[in-house]
Amino acid sequence: DQQVKQNSPSLSVQEGRISILNCDYTNSMFDYFLWYKKYPAEGPTFLISISSIKDKNEDGRFTVFLNKSAKHLSLHIVPSQPGDSAVYFCAASASSGANSKLTFGKGITLSVRP
Amino acid sequence: EPEVTQTPSHQVTQMGQEVILRCVPISNHLYFYWYRQILGQKVEFLVSFYNNEISEKSEIFDDQFSVERPDGSNFTLKIRSTKLEDSAMYFCASMGTSARYTQYFGPGTRLTVL
Repeated sequence: DQQVKQNSPSLSVQEGRISILNCDYTNSMFDYFLWYKKYPAEGPTFLISISSIKDKNEDGRFTVFLNKSAKHLSLHIVPSQPGDSAVYFCAASASSGANSKLTFGKGITLSVRP
Repeated sequence: EPEVTQTPSHQVTQMGQEVILRCVPISNHLYFYWYRQILGQKVEFLVSFYNNEISEKSEIFDDQFSVERPDGSNFTLKIRSTKLEDSAMYFCASMGTSARYTQYFGPGTRLTVL
């Protein structure tokens, strides 16, 4: 039951270039999307989110784009830095009262080469 | 910056034993969650908790699992009789009301069942 899909398991980019991490979802009830970053032996760290009423949200080097018709979102990191090397999870939520559980993708391992 | 804390960081137990995983959510948060990640797999939702009761639980969260908020700060996950397949990283998360749908995760407890 892959409601949130991150089809590319890994991505390698040069320092200073753009990293684009993709995520697709199938559940049309999802209306809030989040990206988390995770280092080994640590918990997921919240990066950026977007509501379904928007198509773009920007925070510093991080921008998330949402294409609702395609059920696709992407995280852009510009410029990429070696410290960005981590696993990135896409997560989605259907805003249903107090529940709002997150459904996660499998994650993408980003490696930023110096 | 406030953060979610979890203890212990690593718990080793024998199959059939009871374990209690502890979490201290961010102090003014009202929504609490447990997730787990089996090695190499997705982060999976276990249970959500609000207003001193379970809001939603997944099919993983069977009768062997229970949650409790014994006082104003702690949030615990108990596994009554551990099985080998319970070995995983267990993450606690909490969410406030000012940034709805953004959950903040603790560093996790690695549970190893022998």
